[in-house]
Amino acid sequence: DVKVTQSSRYLVKRTGEKVFLECVQDMDHENMFWYRQDPGLGLRLIYFSYDVKMKEKGDIPEGYSVSREKKERFSLILESASTNQTSMYLCASSFGGGGYHTEAFFGQGTRLTVV
Amino acid sequence: TQLLEQSPQFLSIQEGENLTVYCNSSSVFSSLQWYRQEPGEGPVLLVTVVTGGEVKKLKRLTFQFGDARKDSSLHITAAQPGDTGLYLCAGEGSNYQLIWGAGTKLIIKP
Repeated sequence: DVKVTQSSRYLVKRTGEKVFLECVQDMDHENMFWYRQDPGLGLRLIYFSYDVKMKEKGDIPEGYSVSREKKERFSLILESASTNQTSMYLCASSFGGGGYHTEAFFGQGTRLTVV
Repeated sequence: TQLLEQSPQFLSIQEGENLTVYCNSSSVFSSLQWYRQEPGEGPVLLVTVVTGGEVKKLKRLTFQFGDARKDSSLHITAAQPGDTGLYLCAGEGSNYQLIWGAGTKLIIKP
């Protein structure tokens, strides 16, 4: 089975802290994604990566950065956490290509609270 | 900009009833996926539809892709409490990215 593992299920951080969210996938997928999910807003794409060391901004990249040094690992960094970044963060991966290959496999999510 | 609108946003029905969830857009999608998400977990893929007019069945769930590949529906027959969850549709956009609907929160009461 495809497995996408996020480093933490729950995190509580203080305003201004630098926060690292880690994600690892074991299916050799080319694509990896970071989303945040808020009630009524669905999944919003923060950043994605098609390959090692490559990254592209999604719809809401402000206040975030990412790192992909190895194919299996994609990290999300909150440079200076703010209360409006309190949310559920979801990591996903997929094969390259279209059609059935866009199927996204998700981690269990990290519920981040910034106080 | 490609957008997907899901309706209804929230649905609460009794066990045994039927229901339909809709996913609509003005844009054409190469493929469309339906996911289900349970509280505290990530979404899990239910089905992918690729061909206009395609119908797929998964036990009591029936998925349909519109002929013009702009819309899709999910019909559940004789809903069970285990069907409770957040249902999300996602269309394949440019560069193979997924465009997400906001989701339908479904509650099935015993």
